[in-house]
Amino acid sequence: EAGVTQFPSHSVIEKGQTVTLRCDPISGHDNLYWYRRVMGKEIKFLLHFVKESKQDESGMPNNRFLAERTGGTYSTLKVQPAELEDSGVYFCASSQEFSASSGANVLTFGAGSRLTVL
Amino acid sequence: GNSVTQMEGPVTLSEEAFLTINCTYTATGYPSLFWYVQYPGEGLQLLLKATKADDKGSNKGFEATYRKETTSFHLEKGSVQVSDSAVYFCALKGTGRRALTFGSGTRLQVQP
Repeated sequence: EAGVTQFPSHSVIEKGQTVTLRCDPISGHDNLYWYRRVMGKEIKFLLHFVKESKQDESGMPNNRFLAERTGGTYSTLKVQPAELEDSGVYFCASSQEFSASSGANVLTFGAGSRLTVL
Repeated sequence: GNSVTQMEGPVTLSEEAFLTINCTYTATGYPSLFWYVQYPGEGLQLLLKATKADDKGSNKGFEATYRKETTSFHLEKGSVQVSDSAVYFCALKGTGRRALTFGSGTRLQVQP
């Protein structure tokens, strides 16, 4: 099966510009997550979709970030306007429904979108 | 809140050396614990996991044991290969949450 696909792999923009990152999850995966790794630090959770609904957006840093998942398929993460501190690698991950028997749902991650804000 | 602390890298080893990457965590309840690996140019891949205390996760020669008494989940491998060069992330999933909490990652460089 195809994995999680993210576009673009690398984006370089100037401060104040807008960037939209896209994630195509594995087909049939209802759960979609966005994470971010800034400056070699820990990977931090941004938000979680179940189908088209935002289940948990507690990790979104501020209102310059807007995530959507229209139709419950692919998702976009828009940063507007971008600031220097937004530079980092944005990871998307997807999973099927939580498995009570395994005790944890296994996430499949994309390769990430590297964002550089100058 | 939940947190994961892992040793800073880079860790540089010669081929066939023994590997330990330390990971400790803070969490309420009974979290599930994971090690993810990111090879150059690829996404994070689940390496192994453990869902309850004293469980041992293993895969590709790597092992980690869920130690509740020391709140640790150290990653070990008896003999590393050049192909093991990657960034390794320790992570946990807390009770009642689906999102993962990650550590800062440890870069492993294995030299021939």
